[in-house]
Amino acid sequence: GQNIDQPTEMTATEGAIVQINCTYQTSGFNGLFWYQQHAGEAPTFLSYNVLDGLEEKGRFSSFLSRSKGYSYLLLKELQMKDSASYLCAVRGRGSTLGRLYFGRGTQLTVWP
Amino acid sequence: NAGVTQTPKFQVLKTGQSMTLQCAQDMNHEYMSWYRQDPGMGLRLIHYSVGAGITDQGEVPNGYNVSRSTTEDFPLRLLSAAPSQTSVYFCASSPGTATNEKLFFGSGTQLSVL
Repeated sequence: GQNIDQPTEMTATEGAIVQINCTYQTSGFNGLFWYQQHAGEAPTFLSYNVLDGLEEKGRFSSFLSRSKGYSYLLLKELQMKDSASYLCAVRGRGSTLGRLYFGRGTQLTVWP
Repeated sequence: NAGVTQTPKFQVLKTGQSMTLQCAQDMNHEYMSWYRQDPGMGLRLIHYSVGAGITDQGEVPNGYNVSRSTTEDFPLRLLSAAPSQTSVYFCASSPGTATNEKLFFGSGTQLSVL
């Protein structure tokens, strides 16, 4: 089975830094994705990790520890437009390679 | 660039009616999938396909059928709609199932079953 946990909601102020955590317990692991979803829109890809460590992309960074089943998404210099839901997703392995399992998402609200 | 196109954007059905949600992609992607998104539940995989003629079940396949006769199209059929199928449905595709291949999502279909 798959179990992916994220906080339901977070708030932060403009210009601040926020870290959104994701823990997972899956029967197979073949990579972890983060997606951003604005209200009423489709998810869009943010980052991908398959090896331990930090991947940096501009204001967004994502970290993975496979031994701990843990990832986080770090958002720096927050802007109002970063208010959105952030989805953690794990790709299966072997017979479940075609499956991408999503967490329930973390709703981030950025205040001015 | 059309990407992944879903139709319709909105649909209201009565219990017991049938309908097909359409999904087409123009990126020559081998992998296509259907998700439903319910408040507080996140995205849940319904069915997926790794190529034309190949489909498989996801986490919540009951009440839904799919087929993949061409690379471009992956329709989702509701044979007898139920209120529990009220949801937002997303179609998504990727080039393949290599570990780092990200999903491209359609704009979604809001379905209400009365």
